[in-house]
Amino acid sequence: DTAVSQTPKYLVTQMGNDKSIKCEQNLGHDTMYWYKQDSKKFLKIMFSYNNKELIINETVPNRFSPKSPDKAHLNLHINSLELGDSAVYFCASSQDRLKGDIQYFGAGTRLSVL
Amino acid sequence: KNEVEQSPQNLTAQEGEFITINCSYSVGISALHWLQQHPGGGIVSLFMLSSGKKKHGRLIATINIQEKHSSLHITASHPRDSAVYICAVFQSKTSGSRLTFGEGTQLTVNP
Repeated sequence: DTAVSQTPKYLVTQMGNDKSIKCEQNLGHDTMYWYKQDSKKFLKIMFSYNNKELIINETVPNRFSPKSPDKAHLNLHINSLELGDSAVYFCASSQDRLKGDIQYFGAGTRLSVL
Repeated sequence: KNEVEQSPQNLTAQEGEFITINCSYSVGISALHWLQQHPGGGIVSLFMLSSGKKKHGRLIATINIQEKHSSLHITASHPRDSAVYICAVFQSKTSGSRLTFGEGTQLTVNP
């Protein structure tokens, strides 16, 4: 079984559309993250949730709204998609957000906005 | 300037060579991670360090907290080691503990 699974793997859509990316982890971890990797392959944190509670919201436009229905899931909804949103989005999880534990990454979702 | 700097940005080696990738950081950290991103895009955690040295197979990671520097070494490199290697530092902040990433080192090992 995949530890951290993201769907879909690829997402191609038009500007202005609304889309969601789903993430699930079966590791029993308390903390989940969303990262954005831009065209230069630079990773940057977007959000962090600990046991369904938002911990980090890193200067991300309001069009991005994370939702954590339970601690095993952290979904990312994006409204009114823009060209600049094209990137690879990675979900990750870790056991202890304060200790800097190893993070387990999903396979990534490549979003292309046309 | 990025809080985490890696060098080199690109590295090409011949199979069997000893490889070193360097990471310097400018902030206080509680841990440092080395990650590997495969050509297919998947990211795997290689090491988490808070002091000293760790070894896993042909990979060795070291950290010098006083000098704010870490190195990742690959002995007897192989074409399957070709990937992007990313250094990330873990910081405890009032705005939330998080990883801050370097820009990555693209390693290509030729047969």
